[in-house]
Amino acid sequence: QKEVEQDPGPLSVPEGAIVSLNCTYSNSAFQYFMWYRQYSRKGPELLMYTYSSGNKEDGRFTAQVDKSSKYISLFIRDSQPSDSATYLCAMMETGTASKLTFGTGTRLQVTL
Amino acid sequence: DAGVTQSPTHLIKTRGQQVTLRCSPISGHKSVSWYQQVLGQGPQFIFQYYEKEERGRGNFPDRFSARQFPNYSSELNVNALLLGDSALYLCASSLVWAGEGRNEQFFGPGTRLTVL
Repeated sequence: QKEVEQDPGPLSVPEGAIVSLNCTYSNSAFQYFMWYRQYSRKGPELLMYTYSSGNKEDGRFTAQVDKSSKYISLFIRDSQPSDSATYLCAMMETGTASKLTFGTGTRLQVTL
Repeated sequence: DAGVTQSPTHLIKTRGQQVTLRCSPISGHKSVSWYQQVLGQGPQFIFQYYEKEERGRGNFPDRFSARQFPNYSSELNVNALLLGDSALYLCASSLVWAGEGRNEQFFGPGTRLTVL
């Protein structure tokens, strides 16, 4: 079993829809939770960075972390065609190295 | 400000050869990490370097090695290339390492390595 599970999609939604992306994890030592956006053949771009449980909002993006359920979510409001990309969740323990453990990524397509 | 830069952009090698990939972190960042991303998968952690010292190593064979220079740039070396080494190699920089608080990692565009 992988430490981080993420539905690979693809997920197709119409422009303007609310998108919900999710990851589950098994390692209770994870304390830092991130979402990255990756366009085809590009490097991942950091969207959200949260510590421990709770919600964080930044523009059209909201990240939620539920450590009791080992479940994290990213919501995208008013989705745009430019949001079409692969979304990667990533997690990290506190400790002596900045090792990110990634999900496989969910491919999102926002259609006109 | 310039982000993380990597060179070369693309590289084609044959089995058994050796390759060196280069990374320059964001100005002021002292930590560099290397990841391997195979098509359709999330990145896998290879190494982290901070202040020229190795701080973390992933589950990769000894054919993979890295180093960090006094200016905080870094090189990743892979010897005796295998077909399975074909991937996007990503470099990430962060201001600090895990033990010092917030350590968001920012990725470069990657080097696409093809092994024939």
